[in-house]
Amino acid sequence: GQQVMQIPQYQHVQEGEDFTTYCNSSTTLSNIQWYKQRPGGHPVFLIQLVKSGEVKKQKRLTFQFGEAKKNSSLHITATQTTDVGTYFCVIGRGATNKLIFGTGTLLAVQP
Amino acid sequence: NAGVTQTPKFQVLKTGQSMTLQCAQDMNHEYMSWYRQDPGMGLRLIHYSVGAGITDQGEVPNGYNVSRSTTEDFPLRLLSAAPSQTSVYFCASRYQGAGKNIQYFGAGTRLSVL
Repeated sequence: GQQVMQIPQYQHVQEGEDFTTYCNSSTTLSNIQWYKQRPGGHPVFLIQLVKSGEVKKQKRLTFQFGEAKKNSSLHITATQTTDVGTYFCVIGRGATNKLIFGTGTLLAVQP
Repeated sequence: NAGVTQTPKFQVLKTGQSMTLQCAQDMNHEYMSWYRQDPGMGLRLIHYSVGAGITDQGEVPNGYNVSRSTTEDFPLRLLSAAPSQTSVYFCASRYQGAGKNIQYFGAGTRLSVL
């Protein structure tokens, strides 16, 4: 079953509001990735975090990797309708680094 | 540049029928994988392969078979379809080396088992 929990499962915001999703693992991670899936689409890679405490920004998106490398967050500033979709964190497991998806957070943005 | 190509896009099966979902990639990626996504849920790993001739089970392998005879192709076989296998199936590929973990996904196959 899933070893990576994300909260919240669902978030509804007004356009212009901020949004944050959190990803928590029970074990220390070597790295973590984030993907976005638009409704009816396929997951698309956003970013990979590797270092403890790492913070990366992509325009209005800020990604953070926890100091203990057990959790991560994605923050969107001033959401837009184009941000609608499900955001997944993804971790690698085992010697072959098979990639396991988190439970996902569905973001709805009301114009 | 085609990327990851999945066929068919849609399929309806009757319980007990068999079929093969096709996946091909043209990026020379060593690693390929199959996921299923049920409504409102995340993606669960079915099977994966780290190279030609090598396959392994993921989180939900029961009812599915795979093989990897070439680097490019990674078909997923349902030997006797069941309604519980109604789902959207995604194939993905990536390089296997350290620091090269970006997965590229196909457009998906929407499967209904009646």
